[in-house]
Amino acid sequence: GAVVSQHPSRVICKSGTSVKIECRSLDFQATTMFWYRQFPKQSLMLMATSNEGSKATYEQGVEKDKFLINHASLTLSTLTVTSAHPEDSSFYICSARDLGKGPEAPGWTEAFFGQGTRLTVV
Amino acid sequence: AQSVAQPEDQVNVAEGNPLTVKCTYSVSGNPYLFWYVQYPNRGLQFLLKYITGDNLVKGSYGFEAEFNKSQTSFHLKKPSALVSDSALYFCAVRDMSNRDDKIIFGKGTRLHILP
Repeated sequence: GAVVSQHPSRVICKSGTSVKIECRSLDFQATTMFWYRQFPKQSLMLMATSNEGSKATYEQGVEKDKFLINHASLTLSTLTVTSAHPEDSSFYICSARDLGKGPEAPGWTEAFFGQGTRLTVV
Repeated sequence: AQSVAQPEDQVNVAEGNPLTVKCTYSVSGNPYLFWYVQYPNRGLQFLLKYITGDNLVKGSYGFEAEFNKSQTSFHLKKPSALVSDSALYFCAVRDMSNRDDKIIFGKGTRLHILP
């Protein structure tokens, strides 16, 4: 249980275009989803937190207009990188938690992660 | 804010030997602590968590972690390392200090198991 699917796993796009990354919780309700960015050989940098049906909360220094996050349902969140530039090339990872149930439910404390998306902007 | 520190960038262990990956934490209140593993070009896999109860927590793939309140540590351990354990390991803590409920990660420790 507690599977999170992220798609696509790899994407190459031209500079100036937009790219959408999907994150789906397959067998649980993701009341909260998180989007991270990971640079080579570095830790995960939290970009934003989204709760289903409400606006995402962005971490300091993350451009809201560039990284659009939508969490319209309890099983799907999307990250759209708008007007992508080569410096946006990175590994993006989503994670999901179910904060709607109690401590015994999967995802109430720990987060479950998608497989990640390698974005290359050329 | 809550935080975790992983003092080692890399740990090398011979196959069959016990391994330890270190983590210390700084929290206000009771800590929720986690270990995750990441293989190349993949997302993170949950290994284990400490919320309350026994200080020794057992997790996936034969890993365990020991919660030590006096030393504010949560080291990851395995009695006998496998080559397939080679990966990037992250210690994490739940941060509920603000309105959001986040999980904050350490910088990661790369574990190399030598055949």
